[in-house]
Amino acid sequence: DGGITQSPKYLFRKEGQNVTLSCEQNLNHDAMYWYRQDPGQGLRLIYYSQIVNDFQKGDIAEGYSVSREKKESFPLTVTSAQKNPTAFYLCASRRQGAWYGYTFGSGTRLTVV
Amino acid sequence: EDQVTQSPEALRLQEGESSSLNCSYTVSGLRGLFWYRQDPGKGPEFLFTLYSAGEEKEKERLKATLTKKESFLHITAPKPEDSATYLCAVYRAENNAGNMLTFGGGTRLMVKP
Repeated sequence: DGGITQSPKYLFRKEGQNVTLSCEQNLNHDAMYWYRQDPGQGLRLIYYSQIVNDFQKGDIAEGYSVSREKKESFPLTVTSAQKNPTAFYLCASRRQGAWYGYTFGSGTRLTVV
Repeated sequence: EDQVTQSPEALRLQEGESSSLNCSYTVSGLRGLFWYRQDPGKGPEFLFTLYSAGEEKEKERLKATLTKKESFLHITAPKPEDSATYLCAVYRAENNAGNMLTFGGGTRLMVKP
């Protein structure tokens, strides 16, 4: 079955450490997105990508970086510059060309230790 | 500025007690309104898409309606398994290359047996 796979499910980061969250999809979707969700809050956009080798900053991109070398993959790196990284991170994808909704992954919970 | 506001933030119901969740939006030229269900620690799951005022969609105990300013998610005779956070999101009609959904803060529904 097609879908989006996020890994790992839980991730612990030490102070000053960079960590990378994986997002892979086999839906043949062109657009991919990273959102951050804090407890009791809605989703905030970090980065998005419409096509391979191109991506754009969202509303809260500071302290994060991404790459889109393959259509199927959109990894997110949380750098040491992100001062409050503890959150639930969601990856999503969407078909291009129409007003389709997103398909979401199951999320990665990142905790600073 | 485009905004999506959901109310109430939290709702406690007894099993069988029907109610409605509200999603009000201020966007220039709505292109689609989406409802998602999110269980704790998981990614959002798609429920409904509504495209024009007056449109209604139903699924089991859930019914979504849309006006020019807001959408309602009606829950009829809820069961404990309906407990979740319900998210509302909209696309804007402006030429936004990202075609991004803007999310509300969600309503956390708790149904007690």
